[in-house]
Amino acid sequence: NAGVTQTPKFQVLKTGQSMTLQCAQDMNHEYMSWYRQDPGMGLRLIHYSVGAGITDQGEVPNGYNVSRSTTEDFPLRLLSAAPSQTSVYFCASSYSNQRGGSDTQYFGPGTRLTVL
Amino acid sequence: TQLLEQSPQFLSIQEGENLTVYCNSSSVFSSLQWYRQEPGEGPVLLVTVVTGGEVKKLKRLTFQFGDARKDSSLHITAAQPGDTGLYLCAGRYNFNKFYFGSGTKLNVKP
Repeated sequence: NAGVTQTPKFQVLKTGQSMTLQCAQDMNHEYMSWYRQDPGMGLRLIHYSVGAGITDQGEVPNGYNVSRSTTEDFPLRLLSAAPSQTSVYFCASSYSNQRGGSDTQYFGPGTRLTVL
Repeated sequence: TQLLEQSPQFLSIQEGENLTVYCNSSSVFSSLQWYRQEPGEGPVLLVTVVTGGEVKKLKRLTFQFGDARKDSSLHITAAQPGDTGLYLCAGRYNFNKFYFGSGTKLNVKP
């Protein structure tokens, strides 16, 4: 199993450009999430999904869109990139259990995004 | 404002010393996780604590969940250079929402 994969690993954008960060998992996990990590801020939840076709907002959703058409994929779209979106982005997945989502999240290696 | 406050932010110690990292909140969490993150990689789960007052041990690492499920601590005994990394706590607040602390950057010098 590859686990959680993210592409690209690095990306530089100009202000106003749009792009999609890809995330895929091969563990058949129902739950997937997107986080951003900034220095001194830890990880902050952007959007999450509890299954195909179901998404919801996290702590910092503005400027980002998500969709979940399959169990495996959970892309994150930046509609019009801004310098404030310079960050490291992590995708995570977890399986469901009797308590809903599992406490164990598996993280991808991250995408380092710079917006000029 | 961080929902979870982690302290200290930085810690540099000699090999063999003991240390404790704290994770505090005014909110109640259904569970709390501790992760370790290496540079250029995603966080990797170390432990999950669920019950108030729970203590879990993982070799030289001891994790404790507060009685009220609002705080947690990570204690490392006889730290080694291999323990160097960023330690993150995360609280499960609502269904599938996890809130992370800002992290503690640990450097263990040989």
